[in-house]
Amino acid sequence: AQSVTQLDSQVPVFEEAPVELRCNYSSSVSVYLFWYVQYPNQGLQLLLKYLSGSTLVKGINGFEAEFNKSQTSFHLRKPSVHISDTAEYFCAVSDSADKLIFGTGTRLQVFP
Amino acid sequence: ETGVTQTPRHLVMGMTNKKSLKCEQHLGHNAMYWYKQSAKKPLELMFVYNFKEQTENNSVPSRFSPECPNSSHLFLHLHTLQPEDSALYLCASSQDGAGDGNSPLHFGNGTRLTVT
Repeated sequence: AQSVTQLDSQVPVFEEAPVELRCNYSSSVSVYLFWYVQYPNQGLQLLLKYLSGSTLVKGINGFEAEFNKSQTSFHLRKPSVHISDTAEYFCAVSDSADKLIFGTGTRLQVFP
Repeated sequence: ETGVTQTPRHLVMGMTNKKSLKCEQHLGHNAMYWYKQSAKKPLELMFVYNFKEQTENNSVPSRFSPECPNSSHLFLHLHTLQPEDSALYLCASSQDGAGDGNSPLHFGNGTRLTVT
């Protein structure tokens, strides 16, 4: 069975600082990996996805993530965050797109 | 306008009430989903419809009853709910549920349900 672990429930950071949101997964088969973002009072929005190919994936809003198969990780990074990046971030894994398994989410709080 | 619209945005209902949540997608997608989002828990997949046919029922109690009359509309009928059913209910759609990873989910803004 697949599972996703987001160890950090909250990540506080100052504006313009770099940030990394951690995600680890477990799966016995090849997987697709996703990061979604949820802004306050909204639904989830796809940030980026890894399907195959290059292990470094670039997404919207300056975010990127790196797939590391040996460490079964897919950490999300941004070199310089903005206040507007304050949101909940969800990592998800799937071996078939109609059954995504989500993590519990990481709340990124950016302070001025 | 978001491609996936959910109504109402907020709903308060008693345990003996019957209500329905509505979802409409304007993206031409063929698959639609209901998710439950509770605090401190992962998103829980409840139901999946692919080309109007239910393909997934994730052990959801019968007090939740989905309906998908066409590929653009999805309902969640609620009756005799419990306080622990209070949550954000999210609808999503995707081009298809083919499982090739190229069909990401598009979410609505959700319905915040409170059961009193």
